[in-house]
Amino acid sequence: AQTVTQSQPEMSVQEAETVTLSCTYDTSESDYYLFWYKQPPSRQMILVIRQEAYKQQNATENRFSVNFQKAAKSFSLKISDSQLGDAAMYFCAYRTPSTGNQFYFGTGTSLTVIP
Amino acid sequence: KAGVTQTPRYLIKTRGQQVTLSCSPISGHRSVSWYQQTPGQGLQFLFEYFSETQRNKGNFPGRFSGRQFSNSRSEMNVSTLELGDSALYLCASSSGTYNTGELFFGEGSRLTVL
Repeated sequence: AQTVTQSQPEMSVQEAETVTLSCTYDTSESDYYLFWYKQPPSRQMILVIRQEAYKQQNATENRFSVNFQKAAKSFSLKISDSQLGDAAMYFCAYRTPSTGNQFYFGTGTSLTVIP
Repeated sequence: KAGVTQTPRYLIKTRGQQVTLSCSPISGHRSVSWYQQTPGQGLQFLFEYFSETQRNKGNFPGRFSGRQFSNSRSEMNVSTLELGDSALYLCASSSGTYNTGELFFGEGSRLTVL
């Protein structure tokens, strides 16, 4: 069974500082994709960053980067130079071709940015 | 390009009633997925439709059903509502191909069952 675990229900960070959100997953598949989604309060969920499991290089998108440890089945998100607009719920998600377009989501981490 | 549109945004029903939620995907997207989001369970996959066919289904009772029309618009229906059905129902569209493509979400329909 595919499971995604986010062990930090809440996190906070000072504006301009760096924060890392943790995510682990469990799978027996070799081909899969990992995602971080952001859900601001009362707004729609948007993709932050994604990682293909076959790629060893960690994905980066501007201030957002991941630390993908395939053997440890770990996929953490680092947010650098945190901004007030980064405050949101962050969901880690997993998808594998064998289950089609079904995404498996973690329970989320609520990030607060302190001015 | 318009995003994913869900209607209604908010609705209140009583136990035993039924509800129908609507989703219009991004133009050109043929896959529509539905998720139930609750504080305790997070996001749970309901089902996915592609070209008017249900392609995948999550572990929900038969009271939850859906369909997709030829223009890719989708509806989901919940019959005999229970208090536990109170949730944010999210619709997401994608191109439908099994690649690294992301899901594009709507703002959701918040259902309250009294």
